[in-house]
Amino acid sequence: DAGVIQSPRHEVTEMGQEVTLRCKPISGHNSLFWYRQTMMRGLELLIYFNNNVPIDDSGMPEDRFSAKMPNASFSTLKIQPSEPRDSAVYFCASSFRTGRNTEAFFGQGTRLTVV
Amino acid sequence: DQQVKQNSPSLSVQEGRISILNCDYTNSMFDYFLWYKKYPAEGPTFLISISSIKDKNEDGRFTVFLNKSAKHLSLHIVPSQPGDSAVYFCAASGPGNTPLVFGKGTRLSVIA
Repeated sequence: DAGVIQSPRHEVTEMGQEVTLRCKPISGHNSLFWYRQTMMRGLELLIYFNNNVPIDDSGMPEDRFSAKMPNASFSTLKIQPSEPRDSAVYFCASSFRTGRNTEAFFGQGTRLTVV
Repeated sequence: DQQVKQNSPSLSVQEGRISILNCDYTNSMFDYFLWYKKYPAEGPTFLISISSIKDKNEDGRFTVFLNKSAKHLSLHIVPSQPGDSAVYFCAASGPGNTPLVFGKGTRLSVIA
């Protein structure tokens, strides 16, 4: 398996523009997570899905952020409008969740710079 | 408030010596703990985990210790190698397989 695939790897955009980050989870995984990494806050959970359904979006910082998972193999995180403080590395992760705890597998991340 | 804390932002160790990375948590509901390793420009990769029913788990050069009463876990790497230089994240999850909560990470530098 190719692992979790994120695109783009790098995104530079101007303040006010819409940004869409994409994620393809590992085939067969039923949970998907979006995390954001910053120096100040480390790795923080933004939202997660189980079986394509959003379960908890309490980590989404503002209404400017939205996430979708239209099917088991694709998810997007959208920021509209973007602001300089949104600059961070955004990670997508997936896991196969049963009754047992298990690790999550991360993509390589999207480094977002908003100027 | 941070539920998982890594109080040492960085650690420097000589090659061949033991590296000890520490992690504290506040949520007594956490029952599964993990360590991830992250190289620059890459995503975190899973390293080792431990369930709350154990107090030690070993995998080659890596050993994780869990002290539930102190709400503390540690990762021991012995012997340390230059390739171990990376950022190490401690993570935890609770019953029902809730999402992982991460600490801020500790940057380990292994000096040859």
